[in-house]
Amino acid sequence: DQQVKQNSPSLSVQEGRISILNCDYTNSMFDYFLWYKKYPAEGPTFLISISSIKDKNEDGRFTVFLNKSAKHLSLHIVPSQPGDSAVYFCAAGVKGSNYKLTFGKGTLLTVNP
Amino acid sequence: DAGVIQSPRHEVTEMGQEVTLRCKPISGHDYLFWYRQTMMRGLELLIYFNNNVPIDDSGMPEDRFSAKMPNASFSTLKIQPSEPRDSAVYFCASRAHYRGDTEAFFGQGTRLTVV
Repeated sequence: DQQVKQNSPSLSVQEGRISILNCDYTNSMFDYFLWYKKYPAEGPTFLISISSIKDKNEDGRFTVFLNKSAKHLSLHIVPSQPGDSAVYFCAAGVKGSNYKLTFGKGTLLTVNP
Repeated sequence: DAGVIQSPRHEVTEMGQEVTLRCKPISGHDYLFWYRQTMMRGLELLIYFNNNVPIDDSGMPEDRFSAKMPNASFSTLKIQPSEPRDSAVYFCASRAHYRGDTEAFFGQGTRLTVV
């Protein structure tokens, strides 16, 4: 039972264009969501988060959108840079219970110069 | 702060041997997590601790796996006996739950290969 799904294993975009990474979830109890970035041979690093009381959160080139009715969130990177090439993980948790995170399987983003 | 520190970075062992993975969380963090990453299952939570006490070990695959946290600055994940299907990257992460942080900080991982 995969509660957090990233249906695109990979995505390739041109430098300077927008990258859109998608994530779907099934557990309606999730009330906060995070995106992590992972380079090869390194651990995941936190990128940006959003609470279920919001529908958008922005941090520089990164924006996360949340559509609760569709149980869908997306990460927008504008403009994309070659250094953004990495695996991006979507994660979700429930604040009121134990805060443990459930991760998607990740999407490999390649930004071509 | 040096971040979450894991050792060793790589471990190659023979089937049947005992393997011990180590983790030093970020100082002051009160939650510690052990994750396993595989191609098939992605990042899955094995066990987590709050103030050194195991809270949820439902993700531990079998009795061959055990984890301890004897103090706030050290945790181990042990596999005994190890099997080839245990080959994966194991991550440790910590979080400052007491101040309301939702994000966890990960170590660089231990790549385990069981032959």
